[in-house]
Amino acid sequence: QKEVEQNSGPLSVPEGAIASLNCTYSDRGSQSFFWYRQYSGKSPELIMFIYSNGDKEDGRFTAQLNKASQYVSLLIRDSQPSDSATYLCAVLRAAGNKLTFGGGTRVLVKP
Amino acid sequence: KAGVTQTPRYLIKTRGQQVTLSCSPISGHRSVSWYQQTPGQGLQFLFEYFSETQRNKGNFPGRFSGRQFSNSRSEMNVSTLELGDSALYLCASKQLAGSAGELFFGEGSRLTVL
Repeated sequence: QKEVEQNSGPLSVPEGAIASLNCTYSDRGSQSFFWYRQYSGKSPELIMFIYSNGDKEDGRFTAQLNKASQYVSLLIRDSQPSDSATYLCAVLRAAGNKLTFGGGTRVLVKP
Repeated sequence: KAGVTQTPRYLIKTRGQQVTLSCSPISGHRSVSWYQQTPGQGLQFLFEYFSETQRNKGNFPGRFSGRQFSNSRSEMNVSTLELGDSALYLCASKQLAGSAGELFFGEGSRLTVL
């Protein structure tokens, strides 16, 4: 079992709709969870992080964490063509530990 | 504030050669991590340095090595290059104090091994 798993996609979403991305992790000791966006040919950029159960909103993005079920999700509201990218979920087990990435979900937003 | 800077951005080597990649972290960031990214394996952790000491290491052969200098700049070296080493090598830095652990990535060094 991979430490961090994501559906590779592509997730095709019409413009203006909500894109829902999921990520599961295997280590119950994981403490912090991150979502990165990576455009083709570019490096990953941090969208947001979450470390408490529940929802965290930042603009059009909402991260949701459920530690009991060991999953974290990302919602993108009012999806735009510029949101087309690969979204990487990353998990930090403890302070000072390495950040482990999932394989990423490719999102395509169609006008 | 300047971001993470990596050099060179692109390079081509042949099998058996060695390569050194450089990374300058964001000012004030003392932790530097290196990742290898390939289409098949995704982002894989190589190692992390903090205060000139290797703090974590991924599952890569000994041909992959790194170091960090007193100004937090880091280098990684790959010796005896193999075709499978062709990848995007990403450096990332992070603050430790007051940080949730988020990484900030450089643009990467794209290595092609022929």
